[in-house]
Amino acid sequence: NAGVTQTPKFRILKIGQSMTLQCTQDMNHNYMYWYRQDPGMGLKLIYYSVGAGITDKGEVPNGYNVSRSTTEDFPLRLELAAPSQTSVYFCASSTTWDRGRDTGELFFGEGSRLTVL
Amino acid sequence: DQQVKQNSPSLSVQEGRISILNCDYTNSMFDYFLWYKKYPAEGPTFLISISSIKDKNEDGRFTVFLNKSAKHLSLHIVPSQPGDSAVYFCAASAVRGAQKLVFGQGTRLTINP
Repeated sequence: NAGVTQTPKFRILKIGQSMTLQCTQDMNHNYMYWYRQDPGMGLKLIYYSVGAGITDKGEVPNGYNVSRSTTEDFPLRLELAAPSQTSVYFCASSTTWDRGRDTGELFFGEGSRLTVL
Repeated sequence: DQQVKQNSPSLSVQEGRISILNCDYTNSMFDYFLWYKKYPAEGPTFLISISSIKDKNEDGRFTVFLNKSAKHLSLHIVPSQPGDSAVYFCAASAVRGAQKLVFGQGTRLTINP
């Protein structure tokens, strides 16, 4: 019962470097999301996907890119790392749901802590 | 502009008593609300949700109340237990299909023995 798996758990980057945060889910969920959480703040949506090949911007997409080639994987790419991208990143997934019946919950990974120096 | 607000950064409650966490929202298009619990170094985990067609939803020790006219919801935990010590996030949704949740800043709940 892996659920949502994120790698790496920790990473330190230098300004201007690039990296990809990996996310995979084994629940066959249609929807996947990337959130970031800054200290003392709530989670903010970066990008989301409603299925393979379909992605869309969330509230804070600048500086990031995503792709969704399979149902299971939703990697998040930082092209030119900046100190403002120091944060904890959470990947999540959810299924198509019936608002009158289902909880509508998102299932979250454990997070990836990124520091840009 | 913070559409979902949790105005209490922290709350301390004695074990066995009731914990009440509050959340306000400004977007009248929100029609579904969720509470998440988060321990350090872990991802948020779902607690309870409520649709705008209801004003109360209960699950064991957890009850969520929704006051649409006041754009306010609250989470009641009774009785509070030491394992309830965590950060609690309120979240809201307005979009059909993908659950694009908007989160509050969180309230750190500490249960004292």
